[in-house]
Amino acid sequence: AQSVAQPEDQVNVAEGNPLTVKCTYSVSGNPYLFWYVQYPNRGLQFLLKYITGDNLVKGSYGFEAEFNKSQTSFHLKKPSALVSDSALYFCAVMEGKSTFGDGTTLTVKP
Amino acid sequence: DAGVTQSPTHLIKTRGQQVTLRCSPKSGHDTVSWYQQALGQGPQFIFQYYEEEERQRGNFPDRFSGHQFPNYSSELNVNALLLGDSALYLCASSFVRTGVYNEQFFGPGTRLTVL
Repeated sequence: AQSVAQPEDQVNVAEGNPLTVKCTYSVSGNPYLFWYVQYPNRGLQFLLKYITGDNLVKGSYGFEAEFNKSQTSFHLKKPSALVSDSALYFCAVMEGKSTFGDGTTLTVKP
Repeated sequence: DAGVTQSPTHLIKTRGQQVTLRCSPKSGHDTVSWYQQALGQGPQFIFQYYEEEERQRGNFPDRFSGHQFPNYSSELNVNALLLGDSALYLCASSFVRTGVYNEQFFGPGTRLTVL
């Protein structure tokens, strides 16, 4: 059975600093990994995905994610955080059906 | 493009009743998935419809059923409602391509409250 873990409920960073939101996964086959963001009173929005290829994946709004097969991780990163990045972030794995983590609340302070 | 639309926005039911939620996928998409999102949790996969058939199902009881229509829109039906069914129900659409898992586009959700 596939699973996703987001070990941090909350991540706080100062505006302009780099940010990392962690995700680890477990699948039986090749991992298909996704990051989504949920803003208050809005639906989930796709940020980026890893299917195959380069371990560093670039996505929307300046976000990127690093796929590490040996550590079974897919951490979301951004070199310089913005206050507007404050939101709820979900990591998901898809192997037929989708499994989402419980989310990490990112707060970027001015 | 209206994106993924869901109706109704909010719904209040009592225990034992039945409810139907509706979803229209993003233009060009042929696959619809339904999720239940309880407060403070991530979306939990209910099932996925493609070509009018249920293709994948999560760990939800048979009280949860669905349908996909020829125009790719979909319905989620929940029978014999329980208090624990109170949640945000999300619909997501995607386009199936052989051997590729594509990103999903989510609707705003239907907030179901069971009293």
